[in-house]
Amino acid sequence: DTEVTQTPKHLVMGMTNKKSLKCEQHMGHRAMYWYKQKAKKPPELMFVYSYEKLSINESVPSRFSPECPNSSLLNLHLHALQPEDSALYLCASSQDWREGSPDTQYFGPGTRLTVL
Amino acid sequence: DAKTTQPTSMDCAEGRAANLPCNHSTISGNEYVYWYRQIHSQGPQYIIHGLKNNETNEMASLIITEDRKSSTLILPHATLRDTAVYYCIVRVVAGGTSYGKLTFGQGTILTVHP
Repeated sequence: DTEVTQTPKHLVMGMTNKKSLKCEQHMGHRAMYWYKQKAKKPPELMFVYSYEKLSINESVPSRFSPECPNSSLLNLHLHALQPEDSALYLCASSQDWREGSPDTQYFGPGTRLTVL
Repeated sequence: DAKTTQPTSMDCAEGRAANLPCNHSTISGNEYVYWYRQIHSQGPQYIIHGLKNNETNEMASLIITEDRKSSTLILPHATLRDTAVYYCIVRVVAGGTSYGKLTFGQGTILTVHP
């Protein structure tokens, strides 16, 4: 089973709202990722968690706040977003990247976010 | 991670083999070649990866040239459901600041026609 689930599928929010995106995997993976994909563009990495600790932050604005409460769950808390933050938000997971061992990332279906 | 170059788009007739090329002339010895695809509005789907040997799985074959500067993804019998954006990604899996990252390029839009 290589399933990563994401909720909700679609989200519409105002610029003053606070919302959260949720990602879950039960493959025993220890690395989890958030990507952002604007229309007609490739996905771009936002955050990487390894063993529930933030490992990589690609200079993402603080209005995006990731959280990894346990090894199976990854959240992305959203606050004071701008209309240009409207995008498909993708979650992925993989085994940890032990040196010399390629880790395959498996993606969820994404959450389509619209900021009004 | 090494940069990749892929054609913007390709067409293929249903039932025929689809051969998708990728150039990665600056690839390093510790970098793997990965292929993902993304069907419209879905999450990227892992297809295959390799280091220097040719690889085959139930979805596709990956042919890597001996100098590792280019590769070809082969879908042996393309179907309409294979219409997608195909991403060739070269990534380091041992050390370096990009450890763990997956950097997508623009990809190739493959359209399979009836």
